[in-house]
Amino acid sequence: KAGVTQTPRYLIKTRGQQVTLSCSPISGHRSVSWYQQTPGQGLQFLFEYFSETQRNKGNFPGRFSGRQFSNSRSEMNVSTLELGDSALYLCASSREGVRASPLHFGNGTRLTVT
Amino acid sequence: EDQVTQSPEALRLQEGESSSLNCSYTVSGLRGLFWYRQDPGKGPEFLFTLYSAGEEKEKERLKATLTKKESFLHITAPKPEDSATYLCAVQAWGGGSEKLVFGKGTKLTVNP
Repeated sequence: KAGVTQTPRYLIKTRGQQVTLSCSPISGHRSVSWYQQTPGQGLQFLFEYFSETQRNKGNFPGRFSGRQFSNSRSEMNVSTLELGDSALYLCASSREGVRASPLHFGNGTRLTVT
Repeated sequence: EDQVTQSPEALRLQEGESSSLNCSYTVSGLRGLFWYRQDPGKGPEFLFTLYSAGEEKEKERLKATLTKKESFLHITAPKPEDSATYLCAVQAWGGGSEKLVFGKGTKLTVNP
């Protein structure tokens, strides 16, 4: 079974530009979450999508947005990039169930803003 | 406020030297506790889910246990390939929604 796939793996952008990251979840998983990981802050929750609807949102500015398509694939967009947006962006998918289901992560997109 | 604290922040062991990592939490409405392993430049890899106090799970040299306030990840006779950052996450229900809170991780280094 294929895991969570994120593209691209690396991105270098200039301050003020915008960027779109892509995520394909594990087949059959309908929930997709996005996280930002930095050395100082650890994993910080951005948002979660389920059946094309944003179900939860973290404490990030409106420059960070996302969407989910009918095939569960998801994209994340960051507009007007700032130097502080440099981070590893992780996508994770999970299966809905009665009990808490673990997240399965992709290997992330490393974004560097110069 | 829901909190997850992992200790120590970093741990150095000699190959074969067993030890434990700690994850303490203060959340209401615990739904599950997860352990992950993360290698540099990669996403976290799922290891275990624990649902209730007293539960234990094992995988090779790793054993995870859960009490009402904390979880331990015991590493028996570690090898250099066990070197990684270990993350703990707690899923809880509160305020009408589910939350997943991650700890900041324990960086484990196992020297040959």
